Amino acid sequence: SQQGEEDPQALSIQEGENATMNCSYKTSINNLQWYRQNSGRGLVHLILIRSNEREKHSGRLRVTLDTSKKSSSLLITASRAADTASYFCATDEKYSGAGSYQLTFGKGTKLSVIP
Amino acid sequence: EPEVTQTPSHQVTQMGQEVILRCVPISNHLYFYWYRQILGQKVEFLVSFYNNEISEKSEIFDDQFSVERPDGSNFTLKIRSTKLEDSAMYFCATQRGMANEKLFFGSGTQLSVL
Repeated sequence: SQQGEEDPQALSIQEGENATMNCSYKTSINNLQWYRQNSGRGLVHLILIRSNEREKHSGRLRVTLDTSKKSSSLLITASRAADTASYFCATDEKYSGAGSYQLTFGKGTKLSVIP
Repeated sequence: EPEVTQTPSHQVTQMGQEVILRCVPISNHLYFYWYRQILGQKVEFLVSFYNNEISEKSEIFDDQFSVERPDGSNFTLKIRSTKLEDSAMYFCATQRGMANEKLFFGSGTQLSVL
């Protein structure tokens, strides 16, 4: 698989259920970020987890990072119809140290939350 | 929350024509980016810009592409002679500084090359 690959590609759940999306990557990273994209819109930053962190929370979001397996998961608890969007992980494996971030995105998971 | 503004939202052009995509970054941000997303595919890095010069670019960003920030506010992406395969959504993104890795994205310009 390629860097920053998410699975599943599509996920459909009922409102109130939890949604889990996974991301795998191949090379070493400094941090991993999750972004959300509503249809036809730009990406919105959700959460960043650093390589020395294992878990991070933000509201209904929980992100885990396992650097030994080169994988991350994004959990959205108690999902709402408004959570319907595509979710992308992005890694900085090409970070040159110059400050700018050449993020590598996956193809994303399309989440549909049915009211 | 401050926003990155992109214009136009849609651009249709003929193959071989030049296009300029515009972005107004968040005012106190220092790093600027262009990414693109071909329909159904990944968001791909094109170029990063810092201190009025390109800091990194991908293999996609060939001689047909250029960026500039001519007046200290607008950040532009120019495609000199568009090809059919340039059709994509182009996103501008900005970053506050080196220690803050969060990118703020604009809503994108949908470029259609006919």
